[in-house]
Amino acid sequence: DAGITQSPRHKVTETGTPVTLRCHQTENHRYMYWYRQDPGHGLRLIHYSYGVKDTDKGEVSDGYSVSRSKTEDFLLTLESATSSQTSVYFCAIRRARSFSGNTIYFGEGSWLTVV
Amino acid sequence: DAKTTQPNSMESNEEEPVHLPCNHSTISGTDYIHWYRQLPSQGPEYVIHGLTSNVNNRMASLAIAEDRKSSTLILHRATLRDAAVYYCILSHAGGTSYGKLTFGQGTILTVHP
Repeated sequence: DAGITQSPRHKVTETGTPVTLRCHQTENHRYMYWYRQDPGHGLRLIHYSYGVKDTDKGEVSDGYSVSRSKTEDFLLTLESATSSQTSVYFCAIRRARSFSGNTIYFGEGSWLTVV
Repeated sequence: DAKTTQPNSMESNEEEPVHLPCNHSTISGTDYIHWYRQLPSQGPEYVIHGLTSNVNNRMASLAIAEDRKSSTLILHRATLRDAAVYYCILSHAGGTSYGKLTFGQGTILTVHP
C-alpha cells in the first residue's frame, strides 16, 4: 500500500462540463503522475509533478491541466470534457530509494465516462 | 526513448515456474528495467526492477542478460492470482523526467489450474 487515494473512483459527466480528479498521498513523496489507460493504447502519461507548483506535460496532455498546491494533493482537471476523454485515470507516486533506483506505485484508478 | 518487446501472451500451469521474456536492445546505460503487472480493474502493481545484476524479491526474480539487451521475469511457482498483464518497462534514471514510464502492450499471462 503506497498511501494513494483517488477520488472520485467513478464519475459520469456530460460533454463540455469541467471535471476534476483528485490524487491524495499520505507519504510526502515529491513526484506524482497522472496516467490514462485506454484499450489499444495501454497506459499513457498525461502530466507529472516534481514538487509543489512544479509540473510538466506528458505524452497526452492536450485538454488537461494539473495543479499541485501542496505536497499531498495532485489535481487533474478536464476544463471541458469530451467523449475522447472517457478513460480510466491512474495516479502514481515515485518512491525514491537511494542508490538503487526508484519505484512507481499506482492508485486504484478513476473511471470517467463522458456522455 | 528505448522500447521493449514482449510476447503478446503466455500460458502456464499452476505451481509451475514461468519465464516472461523482454527484449530491450536499445537500452541505455542509465535505464533501469522495471516490471509491473496489472490485474483486471486494478492499477499497475510494481513487481521488481534492476539495473545490471539479477534481482530477487518476495514476488519474483529478474534475470538481466550480461549485455542488458534482454531480461526475464521469473515467477517461481505460478498461482491463479498471478494471471495478469505483465509490463516490462525501461525508466531513464536521473533528472526530473525519471519515473516517466512508457508502457507497451505487455504480456497477458494465463495460469491454468
